[in-house]
Parts: sequence; structure tokens; C-alpha cells
Amino acid sequence: NAGVMQNPRHLVRRRGQEARLRCSPMKGHSHVYWYRQLPEEGLKFMVYLQKENIIDESGMPKERFSAEFPKEGPSILRIQQVVRGDSAAYFCASSPKPDSYEQYFGPGTRLTVT
Amino acid sequence: AQSVAQPEDQVNVAEGNPLTVKCTYSVSGNPYLFWYVQYPNRGLQFLLKYITGDNLVKGSYGFEAEFNKSQTSFHLKKPSALVSDSALYFCAVRSGGSYIPTFGRGTSLIVHP
Repeated sequence: NAGVMQNPRHLVRRRGQEARLRCSPMKGHSHVYWYRQLPEEGLKFMVYLQKENIIDESGMPKERFSAEFPKEGPSILRIQQVVRGDSAAYFCASSPKPDSYEQYFGPGTRLTVT
Repeated sequence: AQSVAQPEDQVNVAEGNPLTVKCTYSVSGNPYLFWYVQYPNRGLQFLLKYITGDNLVKGSYGFEAEFNKSQTSFHLKKPSALVSDSALYFCAVRSGGSYIPTFGRGTSLIVHP
């Protein structure tokens, strides 16, 4: 029973390039959450998605960041025109239903912007 | 609004001794409380949760936590620490009306041999 999968595990981008982070939830889970972890900080919520719907994007920066969770395939977090401040670990979590108590986390994607 | 405070950035304990990692919270209504552990270069792993019922909650790897409503605390405990318990520990809270937990900044637990 595979857990939450994220790829790539490590991603290096130059300033101005685009970063695409992928998340495949656990089997049977249709709810996905993205978090960002900056050095010396906790996890900050970014966006909550269900299949084909963005439910809560209150933690997403207003510009350059977008997320989707299509009917088929993984959830994608997209960062356009990356800047050095985007360097962080990005974690995806999934749950089988919105009121499920705990979330299951993937191993994260570590983005480095040079 | 909901918030979590983990007042200690780091906790040091000798192997075999009891450990406590502190967490206090603020939330409207009844709290749902969680502890997660993160090992280096890994994602968060769920340890235990309090939703309702007995104030003492038992979780994975011998950890437990005590919910104290009057002190708005949910401290993580273990009677006898192992070196392999060394990791980053996160407390999280959400209200019953929210699907999104708020995480603390994390506490680094270091267990010395």
C-alpha cells in the first residue's frame, strides 16, 4: 500500500525558471494539501484541493503560484519565475475525506533556486 | 483563529530518561490536537491525536500526550527515551469547523546515549 508520493525529491532551478512539483495521494484519497517548510520554521499551509476543485487557497502567494488536482493524474504545484525566496521544502499530504482527523504526508520536494 | 506554540526549540535528554515536549494551543471551540514527527529529509509521520474522550492519548513508538483543557496544553511524553527518538516534533491544532491544521514551529529532540 504505497504512501503519498512526491517527485522530484530534489529540484534545482535558476531564478526566473518554472518549478513543477508533483504529488500522488495515497490510494483512495481524494483530498490533497500542500505545505511549505522554510528553514527554522514550521509548516505553512498553502492550498487544499479535491479532485478538479480548489477548496482553500488562503495560504498561497497571490502571484506566481498555482495548484491543480485534475481528475486523472497527480496534483501539481506550479511556481512560475522562481526567486531565491522560494527555496524551501514543499510537502504534500492527503486524506480520504475532509473531516478525517490526520493527514498522511509525502517525503517532500526540496526546491533550491540558484 | 487557531494557533500553536512550542516554546522550546530544542530539548535534550539522556537515553533512558523520561522526555516531555511542550505544546500549547489556542482555538475557537473544541480542539483537535495532533503530534507528528519528522526525521531528517523525510515527511511528517503521524504519532497521535486527541479528538475527544480520555485526556491521556497513547500513540506510536511508546509516545503519549495529555490533553489539559484548563491549561490549553497538549504535551508529548515518553517514559524512557531512545537515541532513535531524536527528530523534529510538530504539534498541530485545528477546530472542528476547519479542515486545515495549524502547525507549531517544531521542537528538535536530541537524545544522548
